[in-house]
Amino acid sequence: ETGVTQTPRHLVMGMTNKKSLKCEQHLGHNAMYWYKQSAKKPLELMFVYNFKEQTENNSVPSRFSPECPNSSHLFLHLHTLQPEDSALYLCASSQDTGELFFGEGSRLTVL
Amino acid sequence: AQSVTQLDSQVPVFEEAPVELRCNYSSSVSVYLFWYVQYPNQGLQLLLKYLSGSTLVKGINGFEAEFNKSQTSFHLRKPSVHISDTAEYFCAVSDRSDYKLSFGAGTTVTVRA
Repeated sequence: ETGVTQTPRHLVMGMTNKKSLKCEQHLGHNAMYWYKQSAKKPLELMFVYNFKEQTENNSVPSRFSPECPNSSHLFLHLHTLQPEDSALYLCASSQDTGELFFGEGSRLTVL
Repeated sequence: AQSVTQLDSQVPVFEEAPVELRCNYSSSVSVYLFWYVQYPNQGLQLLLKYLSGSTLVKGINGFEAEFNKSQTSFHLRKPSVHISDTAEYFCAVSDRSDYKLSFGAGTTVTVRA
């Protein structure tokens, strides 16, 4: 157990589907993050939540909708995605110093 | 704001040879420094970190890194690599005031027998 658990590990969806990615952290951290990792590109920070409040949205298209009901859970709701949204979506949590603890990622394929 | 440059995108190396992965950063404030490793089909795992104190930092799996403030570098080294060290390595920098983490583009290390 890594301390940060992501489900599902793999997801295939059509462009008209609605799905959600889930992240749960068991570390007692107050901040949670969504990152997108595409092949041959640097890690892209998507959203940051601190004490359940969204503190950063890096110009992410509205077809990605985050939800943070409490400090331990983070969701990424997906709707009408495009094939270029296929990527590994990584969830992370942190407390201080900026050190991030990552989950194993959800590999998303949009057909 | 800070930025991170990993000078090598790919590093091929033979088993039991040493390896060095270079990382330079730019920042107007004091920083924390990190190296993460990502094995195939997995998330990122912390290798080591520099927060304060000794500039030579030892991490897991025999890796170490040295913080050089004058050269704004944080190069990662291992004296003898194994096949299992094949992975992607990310350097990251965090602003001490707001803890925002910036990542480099990554260095792919391929270890061959």
